[in-house]
Amino acid sequence: DAGVIQSPRHEVTEMGQEVTLRCKPISGHDYLFWYRQTMMRGLELLIYFNNNVPIDDSGMPEDRFSAKMPNASFSTLKIQPSEPRDSAVYFCASSFGGATSTDTQYFGPGTRLTVL
Amino acid sequence: AQSVTQLDSQVPVFEEAPVELRCNYSSSVSVYLFWYVQYPNQGLQLLLKYLSGSTLVKGINGFEAEFNKSQTSFHLRKPSVHISDTAEYFCAVVMRGRGKLIFGQGTELSVKP
Repeated sequence: DAGVIQSPRHEVTEMGQEVTLRCKPISGHDYLFWYRQTMMRGLELLIYFNNNVPIDDSGMPEDRFSAKMPNASFSTLKIQPSEPRDSAVYFCASSFGGATSTDTQYFGPGTRLTVL
Repeated sequence: AQSVTQLDSQVPVFEEAPVELRCNYSSSVSVYLFWYVQYPNQGLQLLLKYLSGSTLVKGINGFEAEFNKSQTSFHLRKPSVHISDTAEYFCAVVMRGRGKLIFGQGTELSVKP
């Protein structure tokens, strides 16, 4: 298996622009998670999905952030408009959450976002 | 609600010395416990996990952790570290079957020659 795939790996944009981050989870996994990592706040859970349905978006910082999962193999995290304080590394992770699940999450390599 | 506390933000150690990274958790229900490692400029990788059974869990790269229910701890240990172990280590907990992983703030392990 190729693991969790994220694109792009690096994104540099200007304040006010729209940014879209993409994630392909491991095939067969039914949970998908978006995290943000910064020096100041550490690793934060933004939102997670179960069977393509958003379950908990309490970590999404504000309305400028939105996430979708149109199917089991694809998810996007969008920031519109972007601001310099959004600069961070964004991770996507997936897991299998069945009845006997061990809930181990597998992380992608991350997208390093820089907003100028 | 669960929470995780990593007691040390930075741990400097010399090569071939033993190391212990401390983790305490709180939860009112049964949990799974994890240690993840993040090497510089990379994503997180699973180091080891405790699900049930033996309280001593062995992971990759010679690391092990011991689950102590009475002290609600899950400390990570390695008897002899290498330069290549320099990384950030995250302790995490999840309520069984609930999916949402709660991470500690991380401990930066720095191994010096």
